[in-house]
Amino acid sequence: QLQLQESGPGLVKPSETLSLTCSVSGASISSTSYYWGCIRQPPGKGLEWVGNIYYTGTMFYNPSLKSRVTISVDTSKNQFSLKLSSVTAADTAVYYCARQILTGHYPDEFDYWGQGMLVTVSS
Amino acid sequence: QLVLTQSPSASASLGASVKFTCTLSSGHSSYAIAWHQQQPEKGPRFLMKLNSDGSHNKGDGIPDRFSGSSSGAERYLTISSLQSEDEADYYCQTWDSGIQVFGGGTKLTVL
Repeated sequence: QLQLQESGPGLVKPSETLSLTCSVSGASISSTSYYWGCIRQPPGKGLEWVGNIYYTGTMFYNPSLKSRVTISVDTSKNQFSLKLSSVTAADTAVYYCARQILTGHYPDEFDYWGQGMLVTVSS
Repeated sequence: QLVLTQSPSASASLGASVKFTCTLSSGHSSYAIAWHQQQPEKGPRFLMKLNSDGSHNKGDGIPDRFSGSSSGAERYLTISSLQSEDEADYYCQTWDSGIQVFGGGTKLTVL
């Protein structure tokens, strides 16, 4: 059974860097069939895609966040990580990790989600 | 620009059926989408991938009460025999060359 678990600091100060780690169990992050993604949801609002990564390091980012986002993969730990720099209160959200199906050259639907982790930006 | 449009809310009675609509922006009527369910205080759950011809592939354990269909630029999710646990937010998602887009979501109230 695939499981994705988010972890990291739940409180980040404004202007600092948010860090989130997604641990994958029940599947190999090095599989050629999947991408791995990050999605966030501000309190009371809808879902916003942040970015995704393939085990080779190929990445796609939300254009509105691209200048501040870095996603990396650690195949030895079966994990991937999100870093979001220069955060403000607007970055307060529940952050989700998810698996994404790869059927062609690009990732398609998210088919498994983590439970999510609330990250609050506040001094 | 690739955009998905959903109505903000819907309601239906216990045991009845409800149909959600997700509309693709102009020029994108051939795109596939995915439907996701988010129950209160939970993470989203993948329901199905829905193609432009109406064919769909459901996620693990999704009951037969959930079905999908398509017409032009519209993608539909129908839930029959509504149960109380179906009260949730429903999001559609699509993609293009690595970029992912979500609709604004529809909140379902089961009466």
